[in-house]
Amino acid sequence: EIVLTQSPDFQSVTPKEKVTITCRASQSIGSSLHWYQQKPDQSPKLLIKYASQSFSGVPSRFSGSGSGTDFTLTINSLEAEDAATYYCHQSSSLPGTFGQGTKVEIK
Amino acid sequence: QVQLVESGGGVVQPGGSLRLSCAASGFTFSSYGMHWVRQAPGKGLEWVAFIRYDGSNKYYADSVKGRFTISRDNSKNTLYLQMNSLRAEDTAVYYCAKESCGGSCYSYDYWGQGTLVTVSS
Repeated sequence: EIVLTQSPDFQSVTPKEKVTITCRASQSIGSSLHWYQQKPDQSPKLLIKYASQSFSGVPSRFSGSGSGTDFTLTINSLEAEDAATYYCHQSSSLPGTFGQGTKVEIK
Repeated sequence: QVQLVESGGGVVQPGGSLRLSCAASGFTFSSYGMHWVRQAPGKGLEWVAFIRYDGSNKYYADSVKGRFTISRDNSKNTLYLQMNSLRAEDTAVYYCAKESCGGSCYSYDYWGQGTLVTVSS
């Protein structure tokens, strides 16, 4: 099973600041890495697929990069509505696994 | 627009059974693989099961293998999860999720709103 480790676990950020979340895989997964946003009491929503492809309708301040074992989700100019938990997910092989999540709080 | 609506959750005693359903609309259901993913209260996400678009292949997490069965009825645009021999550790919100590609790519683009399963005596 491929283990995904996110950092940090928690981040408290001021609006308009830049947020960077990293996800490290226990083995190479190419670009089969996806990012989801989950707000309280809601289901996860796809932000970035295959490491760097923005999903339809996602604001341009969200971007992704990386390949192999190291990946990054960047939120440029954070907005209040971005308060959520962010998960990375690998689809390179089953079982699909998720990072433990990064909670982003707005100061 | 893509819609996935889960139902069938509830409270069940340890050792009991439940069947979850996921009604799909807004896309050609019979062309996409589907997954179940769960989330225990206050915890992260755990993949549970996958079924290929035509039902010919099914895969399960080790934690549910032999107890859960995923199935689909393409004529009714509905995905199912039969859960038997339920344990306290199966308590979670269960989400159905649509694959993002027509083949078996194991990535998801849309999720349902979830249905809560509570296993307790």
